[in-house]
Amino acid sequence: GAVVSQHPSRVICKSGTSVKIECRSLDFQATTMFWYRQFPKKSLMLMATSNEGSKATYEQGVEKDKFLINHASLTLSTLTVTSAHPEDSSFYICSAPLAGVVETQYFGPGTRLLVL
Amino acid sequence: AQKVTQAQTEISVVEKEDVTLDCVYETRDTTYYLFWYKQPPSGELVFLIRRNSFDEQNEISGRYSWNFQKSTSSFNFTITASQVVDSAVYFCALSVPGAGSYQLTFGKGTKLSVIP
Repeated sequence: GAVVSQHPSRVICKSGTSVKIECRSLDFQATTMFWYRQFPKKSLMLMATSNEGSKATYEQGVEKDKFLINHASLTLSTLTVTSAHPEDSSFYICSAPLAGVVETQYFGPGTRLLVL
Repeated sequence: AQKVTQAQTEISVVEKEDVTLDCVYETRDTTYYLFWYKQPPSGELVFLIRRNSFDEQNEISGRYSWNFQKSTSSFNFTITASQVVDSAVYFCALSVPGAGSYQLTFGKGTKLSVIP
């Protein structure tokens, strides 16, 4: 099946720093990728849709200046949490639909962010 | 707007018992897709099944079975002869076509604990 990777899997940073999370589709091209956020014991909440070659589409309530998304190629999308604060600590998951089978998304393993 | 309801927050069963996880969805679209994902403690989402709105045929895969009932807008998931390895959080999700991408709307998840 299609494989999506994320890096890093876990990151701890100091408050005020920026953290970049990479999402890669390893064996397929993805013009669209999705970024989700999951708090402990909660469901996944869609943050934004990343589009290759154009601006990301953010969900209501998500600060685009805080969560910068760049979809630089057909296999890579990055999420940068700028000036991170403890409340940004969460589990961030990306997903990508397989071209031609767009109704099925494949998820990355997730990135656990802890901001001290 | 789409909505997915998983009324069962947590379920505990003894190993070898059968268990059904409920999922009720809401959408005005006639074309949509329903999914079940498993999230073990590691956090990675594991795709279990996709069902489109035009296919009400129930499906069985090993110990797993799914019952799709459009009349009641339900897509329930049954595990027969449960095993400890089935312990995880299970998410039901819904996607509808929109602007070329298929965003997933997740339910809040049901945490299943299988006791040896």
